[in-house]
Parts: sequence; structure tokens; C-alpha cells
Amino acid sequence: SSELTQDPAVSVALGQTVRITCQGDSLRMHYASWYQQKPGQSPVLVIYGKNQRPSGIPDRFSGSDSGNTASLTITGAQAEDEADYYCCSRDSSGHHHVFGTGTMVTVL
Amino acid sequence: QITLKESGPTLLKPTQTLTLTCTFSGFSLSTNFVGVGWVRQPPGKALECLGVIFGDDDKRYDPSLKGRLTITKDTSKNQVVLTMTNMDPVDTATYYCAHRPSFDAFDVWGHGTVITVSS
Repeated sequence: SSELTQDPAVSVALGQTVRITCQGDSLRMHYASWYQQKPGQSPVLVIYGKNQRPSGIPDRFSGSDSGNTASLTITGAQAEDEADYYCCSRDSSGHHHVFGTGTMVTVL
Repeated sequence: QITLKESGPTLLKPTQTLTLTCTFSGFSLSTNFVGVGWVRQPPGKALECLGVIFGDDDKRYDPSLKGRLTITKDTSKNQVVLTMTNMDPVDTATYYCAHRPSFDAFDVWGHGTVITVSS
């Protein structure tokens, strides 16, 4: 089982804000990265490090960290943001990467 | 522009060995903090990181797979090879390779290859 726990599903009204959380003890020492995955597609990196966005990722995506929890916030959700979102960080040893359990985001 | 592409068999029988090749371009796998990771996703389930190989040949494996998994690189061919022994139907999944840059994330992914293990 994953050492990083996410809520299975969240929904958000079009244009509103949604926060996705990822909990795990290793997050006290390591940043999380966040990935968006749409059906039948490869994951796409949306946030890494201390709230860094890769080129081409809209600024409505942001990340934050507090204690053992990392969060991904979508401010002003769009229909195209409907997808599965996964966090990723290190395991308790710090040597290996682990993914979270995943959150399905539905835009209403 | 960085690209990665997975190749290998699509169907295996239980107990067989899986060998997947990741052929990449746009970067060199000879820098310490740059790597290539292998990630899989069983149907309808979450992503799982299998392991990462770095430019200095450091390798990090999922502890639950240690003993079954080997990742090697051929820098001259720009390839990374994953070998997983004793395949089982629970190993049925889409297998991805991904670029791990100097920061700790996977920023470019291959399209993935579907591996089915069935008798």
C-alpha cells in the first residue's frame, strides 16, 4: 500500500477552487510533485519542488506544503482540468519514489 | 526536446521474464542528478514507481520488487533497459519510462506500453 494518501475523488464547480491533499510522513522532509493524468494518456507534471510549475502549465495550478501534507490547488477550475491527480515523493527511507493513491477530479 | 519511447513484448506467460527498453533523446544519461525512471499502472489503479537509474549508475528500486527488478543503461545507445523476472498476472499494467531531471520529479513521460501476463 502507498505511503502517500489522497482522497479518492473530489468535485468542483466550473470556475471555482479545489484543493487536493496528499498525506504522508515523508512529506515532512521531501517535496511532493504532482501529476495530471487524463484517460488513456500519460501523466503530465504540473507542480514540483516549492510550488514550481513546468513551462506550459497554467498558473491556476499551485502547490503548498504543511507538515505531513502537500496540497495542489486549482483556482478557477476549467473543464479540461477534469482528470486523475497523483502526488509523488520519497518513501520513508528517502531512497525511493512513491506515488499517492490518486484523486479523481470532476468539474461540474 | 526530450522524448522517451518504451518498447518490448505485449504478452507474457506467468514465470517469464519481462525485458523493456526505453529509448530516449534530447538529454544525456551521464550526469549525476539526471535519471530515467520506470513507472507502471495496473488497469484502473494508481501509478507505481518501480525504480530509477541515474547518470552515475546509481539505482533505486522499489523495495517490494527488489530481487526481481534490474535496471541498466547503455549511454552510447541512449537506452535504459528494465528486466523483471518471474512475471505474474498481477504485473499486468501499462509500463512507462520517464525523464528525471536535476530536480526531484518526472518531467517528461513516454507514451507507455501495455504488458499483459496471462497463461
